[in-house]
Amino acid sequence: NAGVTQTPKFQVLKTGQSMTLQCAQDMNHNSMYWYRQDPGMGLRLIYYSASEGTTDKGEVPNGYNVSRLNKREFSLRLESAAPSQTSVYFCASTLRNIQYFGAGTRLSVL
Amino acid sequence: AQTVTQSQPEMSVQEAETVTLSCTYDTSESDYYLFWYKQPPSRQMILVIRQEAYKQQNATENRFSVNFQKAAKSFSLKISDSQLGDAAMYFCAYISSGTYKYIFGTGTRLKVLA
Repeated sequence: NAGVTQTPKFQVLKTGQSMTLQCAQDMNHNSMYWYRQDPGMGLRLIYYSASEGTTDKGEVPNGYNVSRLNKREFSLRLESAAPSQTSVYFCASTLRNIQYFGAGTRLSVL
Repeated sequence: AQTVTQSQPEMSVQEAETVTLSCTYDTSESDYYLFWYKQPPSRQMILVIRQEAYKQQNATENRFSVNFQKAAKSFSLKISDSQLGDAAMYFCAYISSGTYKYIFGTGTRLKVLA
């Protein structure tokens, strides 16, 4: 009963490098989300996917792309990482308005 | 636009005492949901309690209860008999019914003193 699984848990990148954060849920939820958490700013929505095949921008989408590969998986890609993208990233899925979160990915961009 | 405000960046409480965390929100909607999430040092976000706006009765989960004042747009969390394991960041969150975007507050760090 894994819930929401994020990989990797930690990552260090150099400016300009690219990477993809992976997220998978095994609860058959339709909606999935990507957030970033910065000190003093709570969680800010990057992108969300209301259902398989659809994605929409959130509050801070610049510099990110997403793919809803299937109902289970929702990935977040940084094409050219910047120091401003240093943050903790959370994936979540939703059922009946309750969000279930992954354990987060701590990303540092040097 | 909807907003969620947590005006207390940090709170402290003695073990076994009661503490109340504040949250206010701004919306023109009448049907929505409010949440409190706990984030311990492990970083995992955990749902503490949920309130449907159409319900007048305040939600309760064991030692956790809310004071939901719809007219005042206030949603405070009361933790009774505080335990060391309650030490965490607490986030208030809002979503309007039928939509997909959650709005989170900036969080309140709760310290529990032995």
